[in-house]
Amino acid sequence: SAVISQKPSRDICQRGTSLTIQCQVDSQVTMMFWYRQQPGQSLTLIATANQGSEATYESGFVIDKFPISRPNLTFSTLTVSNMSPEDSSIYLCSVENRGRDEQYFGPGTRLTVT
Amino acid sequence: AQSVTQLGSHVSVSEGALVLLRCNYSSSVPPYLFWYVQYPNQGLQLLLKYTTGATLVKGINGFEAEFKKSETSFHLTKPSAHMSDAAEYFCAVRGSGGGFKTIFGAGTRLFVKA
Repeated sequence: SAVISQKPSRDICQRGTSLTIQCQVDSQVTMMFWYRQQPGQSLTLIATANQGSEATYESGFVIDKFPISRPNLTFSTLTVSNMSPEDSSIYLCSVENRGRDEQYFGPGTRLTVT
Repeated sequence: AQSVTQLGSHVSVSEGALVLLRCNYSSSVPPYLFWYVQYPNQGLQLLLKYTTGATLVKGINGFEAEFKKSETSFHLTKPSAHMSDAAEYFCAVRGSGGGFKTIFGAGTRLFVKA
């Protein structure tokens, strides 16, 4: 299995500002995923990040709002830009195992926008 | 395309009683099926998964699930609930092979009464 850490674990931010969330994995992985979990809801995939290429965004999510970096095989960042209260969510980083039949999740970043 | 439906957003059982959380899926290809658990303020942890082979899958913490292709179901059970089982449970599906995303159900919150 993979051990995933995220920073920060939580933050309270003012509207109009940006926050960058870091995801660190203890092993090299090809694909990393960023999810959003709004209060009381399920997980929604924001984007898939492969090392050395542009992230692939899901419908409803755009690069200007959620820029992603993937500089190497163990690290990624997600930035939530120009935040509004509607961005208040838990943001989760995830990776696949080698067999691509299992995903591991980080502990999440709980974001509150005031 | 894949989709998953969890029946019941909330389930309440007494300690020691049977736990049954329902999940139905649809998939255009043979599916991989998963149950994840999320404890308060934590990320997701894999309980069990079905990929191929035996249709009755045993997971951690005494949980098991049975893949029933004819019923397109993957219900999660545990013979005897424990207070520590109180959490949010997510069923998920993805297509076997490459190129498919994991789709999560809406989640079922399990309450365990003393």
